[in-house]
Amino acid sequence: DAKTTQPNSMESNEEEPVHLPCNHSTISGTDYIHWYRQLPSQGPEYVIHGLTSNVNNRMASLAIAEDRKSSTLILHRATLRDAAVYYCILRCPDNNAGNMLTFGGGTRLMVKP
Amino acid sequence: DAGVTQSPTHLIKTRGQQVTLRCSPKSGHDTVSWYQQALGQGPQFIFQYYEEEERQRGNFPDRFSGHQFPNYSSELNVNALLLGDSALYLCASSWWGGGFWDEQFFGPGTRLTVL
Repeated sequence: DAKTTQPNSMESNEEEPVHLPCNHSTISGTDYIHWYRQLPSQGPEYVIHGLTSNVNNRMASLAIAEDRKSSTLILHRATLRDAAVYYCILRCPDNNAGNMLTFGGGTRLMVKP
Repeated sequence: DAGVTQSPTHLIKTRGQQVTLRCSPKSGHDTVSWYQQALGQGPQFIFQYYEEEERQRGNFPDRFSGHQFPNYSSELNVNALLLGDSALYLCASSWWGGGFWDEQFFGPGTRLTVL
């Protein structure tokens, strides 16, 4: 599986935008980019996913580089509740892959009031 | 909708013992996956069950086994516990027909401590 690289930690101020980077230089043409986050004492939760075009939903935006070797998760206005570990995951549309998620170390986001 | 539920919340066992963890999937979901999360690390995939069969397995020894029941709930069994099995065990559910991109819903996990 193609791997992802994320910074270990990042810090943000409350109500300011946050840009969480992810490098995936060995991504294949059919890999989708997924983001999950894990709040303290909870299981991971889905945030957003995309293939080539930038994507927006109620939680966040996903900006994908033109060469797809990197992507950025954007939280438009960070709140204290957004403090979590954010995981960037590549998923291949292979029937044999099932729904398995391959997590890396993720980025721990700290939000200061 | 209660979402994914897991029991027990916490568990303490000693080396060599056996443990069973339980998971009920989100309503409407038929696929259950289990993950192990060591402290400070990301979750690692153990296996996935659909239609009461193990469909995919990660790099875990045979001491880790599972079962899925007709109501889609699932159990994770670990035999001959080792100190290194101490971790948070997460259950995730999804709908098989949703495709590989379908989001998975995780439970809060069971914290297993092996002494």
